[in-house]
Amino acid sequence: EIVLTQSPGTLSLSPGERAILSCRASQSISSNYLAWYQQKPGQAPWLLIYAASFRATGIPDRFTGSGSGADFTLTINRLEPEDFAVYYCQQYGSSLLTFGGGTKVEIK
Amino acid sequence: QVQLQESGPGLVKPSQTLSLTCTVSGGSVSSGSYYWSWIRQPAGKGLEWIGRVSMSGSTNYNPSLKSRVTISVDTSKNLFSLKLSSVTAADTALYYCARYRYADAIDIWGQGTIVTVSS
Repeated sequence: EIVLTQSPGTLSLSPGERAILSCRASQSISSNYLAWYQQKPGQAPWLLIYAASFRATGIPDRFTGSGSGADFTLTINRLEPEDFAVYYCQQYGSSLLTFGGGTKVEIK
Repeated sequence: QVQLQESGPGLVKPSQTLSLTCTVSGGSVSSGSYYWSWIRQPAGKGLEWIGRVSMSGSTNYNPSLKSRVTISVDTSKNLFSLKLSSVTAADTALYYCARYRYADAIDIWGQGTIVTVSS
């Protein structure tokens, strides 16, 4: 099982600031099959990034995914009020899908 | 646009079997190359993939739950189902159904349904 560790657990920032979220895997993820999701209270997760760096349909370009192997980053530039949420990384490089524990981006 | 909707009892007694259904609308569960899956999220916690089924009925389960899980597909009714046996309080969670392709991210989620295990 590939274990994903997200850090920090909570990020306290102000609108307009940049958020940098980390996702580290216990082993290299095949073909960089790493996705990022945003989850708001009472809602299902929403796909932001797939294959480490490709934005899903309709995702603003302030969301950027990067990284490879076992080390990945989600950067959110110029935080908007609607960006304050919990973010999960997820790997699909193995048949056993796994998720990170999440990073909460909260308003400072 | 494909939509998924979970349904089933919100309360299950310990040691009994949890049964949920995910109805697919706006598309067909028989569409080739998709996996239809179940994912759960205990309150205030992270996400756990339970397993998936394909149109052909082939399945893959999380080893941590494999002995208790059955996921099946009903193409005639355009839905897929989850059964989790011998439940305990640890199985209390928000259960999502979701769709993804092989080697691709999860692109569609249901809204989720809360299941509480309690006597």
